[in-house]
Amino acid sequence: AQSVTQPDIHITVSEGASLELRCNYSYGATPYLFWYVQSPGQGLQLLLKYFSGDTLVQGIKGFEAEFKRSQSSFNLRKPSVHWSDAAEYFCAVGANSGYALNFGKGTSLLVTP
Amino acid sequence: SQTIHQWPATLVQPVGSPLSLECTVEGTSNPNLYWYRQAAGRGLQLLFYSVGIGQISSEVPQNLSASRPQDRQFILSSKKLLLSDSGFYLCAWSRVAYNEQFFGPGTRLTVL
Repeated sequence: AQSVTQPDIHITVSEGASLELRCNYSYGATPYLFWYVQSPGQGLQLLLKYFSGDTLVQGIKGFEAEFKRSQSSFNLRKPSVHWSDAAEYFCAVGANSGYALNFGKGTSLLVTP
Repeated sequence: SQTIHQWPATLVQPVGSPLSLECTVEGTSNPNLYWYRQAAGRGLQLLFYSVGIGQISSEVPQNLSASRPQDRQFILSSKKLLLSDSGFYLCAWSRVAYNEQFFGPGTRLTVL
């Protein structure tokens, strides 16, 4: 069965510092991988996705993620964090023939001045 | 472009009362539709998904039900709410055969 683990429940970074949010998945075949962001009281917005091809994917708002099959990871990165990036971040995995996404439990990002 | 609507945005209901949450999608045809519930600190739990009118799959047994009376309309219902039904309910859609899901703004349900 598919599963997603986000090891960090909370992360605090200073504005302007770099960011890396970890995501590990468990899936037998090549998964479809996603990162979503959620501001308080809002729905989820898709940041980026990986289906196949180049393992480094670029997303919106300056985010990128790298798919590493050997490590079963899909970590999200941003070189310089802005205060507006403070939010909840969710990693998700989907099967190529299924309908549902499995979401991690999320990482809450706090950005300090 | 496609948009997804949910209403109401917030709802406070007494235990034992009925529930009806509505989700509609514009700008696409025959979408896959999904209902998720989000509880604090527990991520997203898939409740129901639908691949077509009248076709509903349930992921979690509970006192909730879903219906899809029209192609782009998805309704979440309950006959009698429980305290444990409180949470943030999110509707999402995806194109058939793809997994990328697009989420609505959500409904905050509080059961007292």
